[in-house]
Amino acid sequence: DAGVIQSPRHEVTEMGQEVTLRCKPISGHNSLFWYRQTMMRGLELLIYFNNNVPIDDSGMPEDRFSAKMPNASFSTLKIQPSEPRDSAVYFCASTREGTTNSPLHFGNGTRLTVT
Amino acid sequence: GENVEQHPSTLSVQEGDSAVIKCTYSDSASNYFPWYKQELGKRPQLIIDIRSNVGEKKDQRIAVTLNKTAKHFSLHITETQPEDSAVYFCAASSGWGKLQFGAGTQVVVTP
Repeated sequence: DAGVIQSPRHEVTEMGQEVTLRCKPISGHNSLFWYRQTMMRGLELLIYFNNNVPIDDSGMPEDRFSAKMPNASFSTLKIQPSEPRDSAVYFCASTREGTTNSPLHFGNGTRLTVT
Repeated sequence: GENVEQHPSTLSVQEGDSAVIKCTYSDSASNYFPWYKQELGKRPQLIIDIRSNVGEKKDQRIAVTLNKTAKHFSLHITETQPEDSAVYFCAASSGWGKLQFGAGTQVVVTP
């Protein structure tokens, strides 16, 4: 099991540029989550999908953020245009969700720096 | 929605001593309570979890307790070692795997 795979590991971009973060969940997992981690705000849930359908995007900061999950093995988080305050570590996580909770597995994260 | 509070924010212990981290939650429907350990520059990793039908769970040097009536749960690490130094997060969930995390506790174990 390769775990949750995220790319890129690091991204440095200038303010105003578009940023796309990518995630491949663990095979067989049907729920996918995007979290953002900063010193000030800790781990924040941005959006999550179940069976490729967005269930709750109430954590998405603003319209500059969008996420998609076109199939069970791929998701993207896009920021357009990016701003310095978007600098953070973005984690993707997945789980097999059924009638009971199951452990959430995190990817290694993407460290985003917007200058 | 769910709100999880975690204390203390930092904890310094001598090697061999015990460490205790406490969390409270607000949503009485929450039924799953995992704990994650995050080392510097790495991803959060699950170390132990407990479900609402259990009051206590132990795995070697770590244990979790849950008091559903009081809505609080705790992590206990015994015989701490330098490799236990990390940030620990508690979390609570009522379904869909959607976890609400506490703010984290920085644990420093000094030799």
